[in-house]
Amino acid sequence: SQKIEQNSEALNIQEGKTATLTCNYTNYSPAYLQWYRQDPGRGPVFLLLIRENEKEKRKERLKVTFDTTLKQSLFHITASQPADSATYLCALASDTGRRALTFGSGTRLQVQP
Amino acid sequence: DAMVIQNPRYQVTQFGKPVTLSCSQTLNHNVMYWYQQKSSQAPKLLFHYYDKDFNNEADTPDNFQSRRPNTSFCFLDIRSPGLGDAAMYLCATSRGLAGGQGDTQYFGPGTRLTVL
Repeated sequence: SQKIEQNSEALNIQEGKTATLTCNYTNYSPAYLQWYRQDPGRGPVFLLLIRENEKEKRKERLKVTFDTTLKQSLFHITASQPADSATYLCALASDTGRRALTFGSGTRLQVQP
Repeated sequence: DAMVIQNPRYQVTQFGKPVTLSCSQTLNHNVMYWYQQKSSQAPKLLFHYYDKDFNNEADTPDNFQSRRPNTSFCFLDIRSPGLGDAAMYLCATSRGLAGGQGDTQYFGPGTRLTVL
């Protein structure tokens, strides 16, 4: 069955360092992958989308990579700040069959000042 | 500039007592979704509407129903809430379906449902 895995353990890093979060998937041929940020008690907020034919996408301090051979996406936040502390969810979509996003359970990032 | 609005933000109901959650959007998007999210878990899609076309996920219990009377509004009805239905319910919208163009999802703040 289709599966999306994100590290369930929280990631704790020092302010100014680069945070790297991982999203692995199995039994999936995604058309694209999205990353969302979710703060406690709030709805997810879209951050970045990367398509299957793209290797890397950047937006300000954010960078996403997508390796369809490894079935993995990496999400990087450079020069991290305490305000970046949140849960980050990855989501996959296919352009055939079920036309809906499937979300991972997210990784909580804590940036220490 | 609220784009996806959910009411109420917090809802307490009794076991078995029907409850309705509401969602409205100012984005004029074609697609509206309802997700259930429990603590530290992934948002789980319950169903979605593409315009008036209703799409139920295969594993969504019959206890959950939805209505979309117009483009702007969508409702989630839980006919007989059980203790296991306590969760955050998230409404989201997008211009198009996932896998195509213009399908970034915009989420509301959620409604936290407590079942006593």
